[in-house]
Amino acid sequence: EAGVAQSPRYKIIEKRQSVAFWCNPISGHATLYWYQQILGQGPKLLIQFQNNGVVDDSQLPKDRFSAERLKGVDSTLKIQPAKLEDSAVYLCASSPPTSGIRKTQYFGPGTRLLVL
Amino acid sequence: LAKTTQPISMDSYEGQEVNITCSHNNIATNDYITWYQQFPSQGPRFIIQGYKTKVTNEVASLFIPADRKSSTLSLPRVSLSDTAVYYCLVGEANYGGSQGNLIFGKGTKLSVKP
Repeated sequence: EAGVAQSPRYKIIEKRQSVAFWCNPISGHATLYWYQQILGQGPKLLIQFQNNGVVDDSQLPKDRFSAERLKGVDSTLKIQPAKLEDSAVYLCASSPPTSGIRKTQYFGPGTRLLVL
Repeated sequence: LAKTTQPISMDSYEGQEVNITCSHNNIATNDYITWYQQFPSQGPRFIIQGYKTKVTNEVASLFIPADRKSSTLSLPRVSLSDTAVYYCLVGEANYGGSQGNLIFGKGTKLSVKP
């Protein structure tokens, strides 16, 4: 079974520039998550999709961050304009449509962003 | 969501058993306990999940006392490749809802030495 795919793996931009990250979840996984992980900290949830609808985006800085999941499969996360504090690893995860026992999240390798 | 407390770091030697304890005093009735492992430059990976008593899989064991206010992840006979950050998470089993989201702390950085 193929895992969660993310691209690019690394990105270096200057502040005030724009950047976009792409995620392809595991086939059949209805739930998709984007996390931000700053060095030395645990991942922080930015947004959660159920199919192509947003379930939780309470921690997404909506003045600069946006995300979409058209057709309920792939997803993109955009930052415009980027700030220095956005330097982090952006992780995408997906979950299968199971019920009962807590869903396991499967994470991609992440995109490491450096804002100069 | 219940807050978790775990040691910042732990050291061990190859072949030893490692036990990482996590405190979650405010765990709710519907909450499950889940542990993830993260290697450098990789996303977290699910290790084990439990609700009460003991759960064992091919990778680890999870011990949960009757009051469920803490849990212990046990890694038998660790090797150098077990060097990673281990996260303890507590949350509801809520399919599709935001209440089921994971909240990661800083985790426990385990260093296994030869």
